[in-house]
Amino acid sequence: DAKTTQPPSMDCAEGRAANLPCNHSTISGNEYVYWYRQIHSQGPQYIIHGLKNNETNEMASLIITEDRKSSTLILPHATLRDTAVYYCIVRSSRGNYGQNFVFGPGTRLSVLP
Amino acid sequence: KAGVTQTPRYLIKTRGQQVTLSCSPISGHRSVSWYQQTPGQGLQFLFEYFSETQRNKGNFPGRFSGRQFSNSRSEMNVSTLELGDSALYLCASSLVGPGTAQRRTDTQYFGPGTRLTVL
Repeated sequence: DAKTTQPPSMDCAEGRAANLPCNHSTISGNEYVYWYRQIHSQGPQYIIHGLKNNETNEMASLIITEDRKSSTLILPHATLRDTAVYYCIVRSSRGNYGQNFVFGPGTRLSVLP
Repeated sequence: KAGVTQTPRYLIKTRGQQVTLSCSPISGHRSVSWYQQTPGQGLQFLFEYFSETQRNKGNFPGRFSGRQFSNSRSEMNVSTLELGDSALYLCASSLVGPGTAQRRTDTQYFGPGTRLTVL
């Protein structure tokens, strides 16, 4: 299964763009990159996913490098409510868990006023 | 559409007791997955049900079990509770089950969780 590496924590000033990096150097050609976030003690919230092209929705943008070994989640104008743990997940299509999500420790993003 | 609902939201039990948690998926979703979240171990996959059958299972003891009903609602049961079972139990629903090509892009949507405290 492709594993991901994220920085344990990041700070971002309110109103500025938050750029959250993720490394997934062992990703396979048909595996998607997913991003979720979890605000304290709530269920994880889906943000975005992509395969190889850049993706954008109302919440965020996802930039995947051409070799697909890393990606960046961009929150264009961070607010205090974006303070959360952000998880980057490569969805495996193999293994004992079938095609379920395997969550790592994520990045704790703190948006500062 | 209503989101994933979980009941109860909070629960306090004592060691040795058993507990049943309930999850109602998003309307039309047929797959339900359960996760345990603790400060020490993070988010860990328990099991997944699709079409009333357990399709995947994580590395948890047999005290953890579940089932799914014909309306896709799911329950999980923990017997002989231990202090270490104190956790946030999360349920997630998705449209399709494992083993299909659509699975790769099928998103899981999580409920608010049930906070279980074992005393």
